[in-house]
Amino acid sequence: EAQVTQNPRYLITVTGKKLTVTCSQNMNHEYMSWYRQDPGLGLRQIYYSMNVEVTDKGDVPEGYKVSRKEKRNFPLILESPSPNQTSLYFCASSPRTMNTEAFFGQGTRLTVV
Amino acid sequence: KNEVEQSPQNLTAQEGEFITINCSYSVGISALHWLQQHPGGGIVSLFMLSSGKKKHGRLIATINIQEKHSSLHITASHPRDSAVYICAVSPLGTSGSRLTFGEGTQLTVNP
Repeated sequence: EAQVTQNPRYLITVTGKKLTVTCSQNMNHEYMSWYRQDPGLGLRQIYYSMNVEVTDKGDVPEGYKVSRKEKRNFPLILESPSPNQTSLYFCASSPRTMNTEAFFGQGTRLTVV
Repeated sequence: KNEVEQSPQNLTAQEGEFITINCSYSVGISALHWLQQHPGGGIVSLFMLSSGKKKHGRLIATINIQEKHSSLHITASHPRDSAVYICAVSPLGTSGSRLTFGEGTQLTVNP
């Protein structure tokens, strides 16, 4: 089954404790991206990757890192999480760019206390 | 003013009704997506449009590039259609690297 898989689905952590949210797709897609969703602000792009080893900042990249060492995986890294990073996070992929069909993961609800 | 505006923000309908959700955007675009998000669930892509009209089951999406407007229609609505519907655009000049999202329309269909 074609899918984008995020792990974990839910995470509660403490301020400053490094964490990684994984994202994996099994469709051989070139494009992958991360978004956060907050009440009243909607979805906003954090980082995106047009292909392996090619990543770039989205609209709200502060406090996040990403890597794209292989095509299927695009982890989101929070080196020192803070409470303002409490949010619902989504990973997405598409065959080439967001001018083609998009596939989203199930979401990761992160709480930083 | 947001680049992508959806209306209405909230919509309550009775089962069987015809529903329309609107999306207006202020920038030139390469593509427009309609997405569905159920409570506690992930996001599902319903349509990707660059022109014209698409239909899938009871759902129809249209886009008018000149007027910078798209509509999502649901025919014979059902309680399982209750969800948040999100419009997202891929702006021109970004090579398809970006999506800009509307804030979503919360749809509730009562039996």
